[in-house]
Formats: sequence, C-alpha cells, structure tokens
Amino acid sequence: EAGVAQSPRYKIIEKRQSVAFWCNPISGHATLYWYQQILGQGPKLLIQFQNNGVVDDSQLPKDRFSAERLKGVDSTLKIQPAKLEDSAVYLCASSPIARTGYVGYTFGSGTRLTVV
Amino acid sequence: KQEVTQIPAALSVPEGENLVLNCSFTDSAIYNLQWFRQDPGKGLTSLLLIQSSQREQTSGRLNASLDKSSGRSTLYIAASQPGDSATYLCAVTNQAGTALIFGKGTTLSVSS
Repeated sequence: EAGVAQSPRYKIIEKRQSVAFWCNPISGHATLYWYQQILGQGPKLLIQFQNNGVVDDSQLPKDRFSAERLKGVDSTLKIQPAKLEDSAVYLCASSPIARTGYVGYTFGSGTRLTVV
Repeated sequence: KQEVTQIPAALSVPEGENLVLNCSFTDSAIYNLQWFRQDPGKGLTSLLLIQSSQREQTSGRLNASLDKSSGRSTLYIAASQPGDSATYLCAVTNQAGTALIFGKGTTLSVSS
C-alpha cells in the first residue's frame, strides 16, 4: 500500500511570511496527526483529526497555526506569520480508528521548514 | 502530564557490541509503548510495540522490555552493525486512539 505522502519536502521562508504543508494519509485511515520535530527533540503533537473532526489541538499555537482536513482525507497545516522558532520538521502520520488493541501508525517523510 | 525521557542522548560503539538504550516515563498508566527508528531526512519506522500487559517483545537482534511499575523500558540491540546507526525514539500512548508522546531520542553511531 502507498505510504503517507507529504509535500513539499523542504521549504525556506522569511519570518512573518506564511507557509502551508500538505499531507495525504494512507487510504482508509480515519485518524491523522501533525507533529512538529525541532532539531534534537522528539516529535510533539500539534493536532489530531479523526475523519474531519478535531480530537486534540491543545498544543497547536492557534494564533499562528491552523489546520484542516476537508472530507476526512487530505490535510493542510498552515503557519501565518512564521517565526524563527517555527524552524522544524513537520511530520504527518495516519492510523486506523482505535477501538481495541494495537493501532499502527504510519509516518510520512516530513517537511523541513527553515525560517530565516 | 506524561513525560518521556531517554538516556543517553548519544552513543558511539564499535561494530559487534551489544548495547542498551533506556526510556523512562512519568505516568505508569500507559496503553502501550513503542520504539521507533529515525534516519536522517526520513520519517519514523516502528521497530517494536509493547502492550501495557506485556513484558517484552523481540524482533531479530532487537529486544524491548517494559516495566510499567517503575516506568521504564529498555531497547537491547545485539551484535550492533553500522547500518544500525540512527536515532532511536521511545513513545507511549496513554489511551487507545490517542497520540504518541515521544522522548527526545538516542542517536546511535556504530563504527566499522
């Protein structure tokens, strides 16, 4: 099966500019996650969707970050305006709905954002 | 709030050595624990998953153990190879269907 697709792979922008990332999860996976991974740290959850509804966005800086998942499939994550500290790798992951037992997570290769 | 800590932050070993990576978590009420591998510029690859009711899991040269009561897990790598060089991340989930909470990782370098 195809993996989680993310684009672009790399992006360099100036501070105060806006940027958008795109994620296409594995077909049939109801749950989609966006993580932020700053250099030298582990990934941190930004937002979790189940279908097109938000499950957890408690760590999303809502004054500058927004995310949507239209029709419960693809998702976009936007930053406006960007700050220097937003430089990181943005990872998208998807999984089936967890009712019982193990839930497999599949991660995309990520988008590396550099804010200068 | 669940926090995951990994030590050491970095490790360099010669090829062939057996090694142990450590992971600790502050809230023992976890649903499961996973070990991931991350290569530079790549996404995360799941290595081993341990359900909260299990004590260990094995895959090839990898063995992961879980002690929920003490909030610890170890990843044992036998007969290390240069191809094992990567960052190893430990992550827990607190409930079914919730997101992973990661440690900062251990960066392993195996020299030939």
